[in-house]
Amino acid sequence: AQTVTQSQPEMSVQEAETVTLSCTYDTSESDYYLFWYKQPPSRQMILVIRQEAYKQQNATENRFSVNFQKAAKSFSLKISDSQLGDAAMYFCAVGGSQGNLIFGKGTKLSVKP
Amino acid sequence: EAQVTQNPRYLITVTGKKLTVTCSQNMNHEYMSWYRQDPGLGLRQIYYSMNVEVTDKGDVPEGYKVSRKEKRNFPLILESPSPNQTSLYFCASSLSVGGGNTIYFGEGSWLTVV
Repeated sequence: AQTVTQSQPEMSVQEAETVTLSCTYDTSESDYYLFWYKQPPSRQMILVIRQEAYKQQNATENRFSVNFQKAAKSFSLKISDSQLGDAAMYFCAVGGSQGNLIFGKGTKLSVKP
Repeated sequence: EAQVTQNPRYLITVTGKKLTVTCSQNMNHEYMSWYRQDPGLGLRQIYYSMNVEVTDKGDVPEGYKVSRKEKRNFPLILESPSPNQTSLYFCASSLSVGGGNTIYFGEGSWLTVV
C-alpha cells in the first residue's frame, strides 16, 4: 500500500520569497515516481515537477526544485522567488507500477503581495 | 493538441437518476483512469483501465461502473447516484501503465447530486 502525507494544510509566503512545502510518503514498491501537482482556482491539474526514485539528483524546473530524501521518504517542494501566480493548492503524489497516483490531501499556498 | 476531454463539465442531478460522464483522449494512450476530489481528501482513484476491455477497481469504486470498448473513450457511469457522490471528477490518461509516464488530466467535471 502507498500513502502520502502533507502535514501543512495551509502555507503563506511573501512575494519574491522562498517557501518549502513538505511531503512524506510510504510505499512498498522499489520502483516508483514522485510528483508535485499544482491546482489553481480553475481546478486544472498541472504537473509541476517529477522525480524518479532511482535518481539521486534532485529534480529542478525553473523556480521549482525538490529535496528528495529517499531513506527518510521525504519529498519537499521548494518554490523560489514566489509569484502571485503560484497561489494554488499543491498536491504531492506517488506513482507506482500499476500506473495509479496516490495523492496527499494538499497544501493551500497563499502569496502575499 | 494533446487533450483529455470530459463532459459534462458541470451537472446537477437528482438521487437515483442514472448518469454518464464521458472521457475521451486523442493521444492513443493505453492507460486511463478516473479520480474524485473531495475537500480535505485529495484525489482518490475510482477505476482504471490498462487497455481496451481491461478495467479494474481503484481505491473508491463503490457506486460506479466503467467500460472501455474503444481505446480513446472511458466513460464513468453512476447507475443510481447518491448525495455522497457529489464531487469533482477527473479523467486521466497516460501512454501505458507505469509510474514514469506523464499523466494527462482532463479539466474536471463538477457533479452535484441532490
